Amino acid sequence: QVQLQESGPGLVKPSETLSLTCAVSGYSISSGYYWGWIRQPPGKGLEWIGSIYHSGSTYYNPSLKSRVTISVDTSKNQFSLKLSSVTAADTAVYYCARLSSHYYMDVWGKGTTVTVSS
Amino acid sequence: QSVLTQPPSVSAAPGQKVTISCSGSSSNIGNNYVSWYQQLPGTAPKLLIYDNNKRPSGIPDRFSGSKSGTSATLGITGLQTGDEADYYCGTWDSSLSEVFGTGTKVTVL
Repeated sequence: QVQLQESGPGLVKPSETLSLTCAVSGYSISSGYYWGWIRQPPGKGLEWIGSIYHSGSTYYNPSLKSRVTISVDTSKNQFSLKLSSVTAADTAVYYCARLSSHYYMDVWGKGTTVTVSS
Repeated sequence: QSVLTQPPSVSAAPGQKVTISCSGSSSNIGNNYVSWYQQLPGTAPKLLIYDNNKRPSGIPDRFSGSKSGTSATLGITGLQTGDEADYYCGTWDSSLSEVFGTGTKVTVL
């Protein structure tokens, strides 16, 4: 059974960098699939942030591309998100997920809440 | 800002049927598979439908999906109180990004 678990600080100061990690269990990242990050601001809808393949190739949301870096560590079977220069608008629940080649997300983490505030 | 448009809410009595539309364009739905997700209150989204009309293992056949041109539809029959949730469509866009719908809240009257 594939499981994903997000971890990272729940509070980040404005202008700083948000850093989250998604630990994958029950499946080797090196075996395939894309792995991605999605966020959901309070009371709002889903927003895709970006995805990474085990080889390291990435796709980012054009509206966030200048501030986003997603990386993968196959030795630890995890992948990470960095979002720089955060503002209050980046306050959200952040989810990690596994993406198929047909772009659907079949396994999701439970999500972690990140608040941007001084 | 979502590029896929869904109705904000739909409702029906228990046992009835609801349909949720998802409208896009040739840049996304028109040329790619559509998926649907159910998000129960306070929980992570869950895959309901993939590849336009396929159900993952464990998803009851009360849930169905279809696609025509640049629009897709999710149907829920035999509505139950446990189906009260937010529902999102999703697909790939030619801007090289995954896109989601605006979301629809299903209420069981």
